[in-house]
Amino acid sequence: EPEVTQTPSHQVTQMGQEVILRCVPISNHLYFYWYRQILGQKVEFLVSFYNNEISEKSEIFDDQFSVERPDGSNFTLKIRSTKLEDSAMYFCASKRTWLDTQYFGPGTRLTVL
Amino acid sequence: SQELEQSPQSLIVQEGKNLTINCTSSKTLYGLYWYKQKYGEGLIFLMMLQKGGEEKSHEKITAKLDEKKQQSSLHITASQPSHAGIYLCGADNEGDDKIIFGKGTRLHILP
Repeated sequence: EPEVTQTPSHQVTQMGQEVILRCVPISNHLYFYWYRQILGQKVEFLVSFYNNEISEKSEIFDDQFSVERPDGSNFTLKIRSTKLEDSAMYFCASKRTWLDTQYFGPGTRLTVL
Repeated sequence: SQELEQSPQSLIVQEGKNLTINCTSSKTLYGLYWYKQKYGEGLIFLMMLQKGGEEKSHEKITAKLDEKKQQSSLHITASQPSHAGIYLCGADNEGDDKIIFGKGTRLHILP
């Protein structure tokens, strides 16, 4: 069964450094998402992406964040200058059509030191 | 903005027992999702409910949507150790695409 995959599974970085989190959505899916979960807190929506552009973004998704679909398979989340409070589990999700369910990847645990 | 309240926050049950987890929304529910998360891992989709009164089952897990009460319940029959984890309910507003999640219910199964 097709799955959303994410790399790396764990990323450790120094404050102020740039990180790129990578996701490979399910191949025939058209809608893509990033969520994050700070330890012990709710899963929070960051951004949705469709037709090569951002559909919606949350207040969390400020100028330090960007997303890209550089080719037909990858979907990336870039944090330009990481802060301590960016430490969280980041989940990628995708779905095929508007009415479909979102399927989540296993997550990337980001630790900012 | 929509808020989802899950109860209980944590649940410990003996293997073989039945249990119910509830999810109550502050607004009208249009799409209600149940996901399971193992500690520190990804979200596994369980079920989606869209219509008032809808009930779905998968193996020993049944979920119902009570639209009038703006509530959904997840019922596990004859619980097993494999059911242990965090159960998250999520909802999307009409015309909206993002999922808003509850805080989750931690389920422990005692052998």
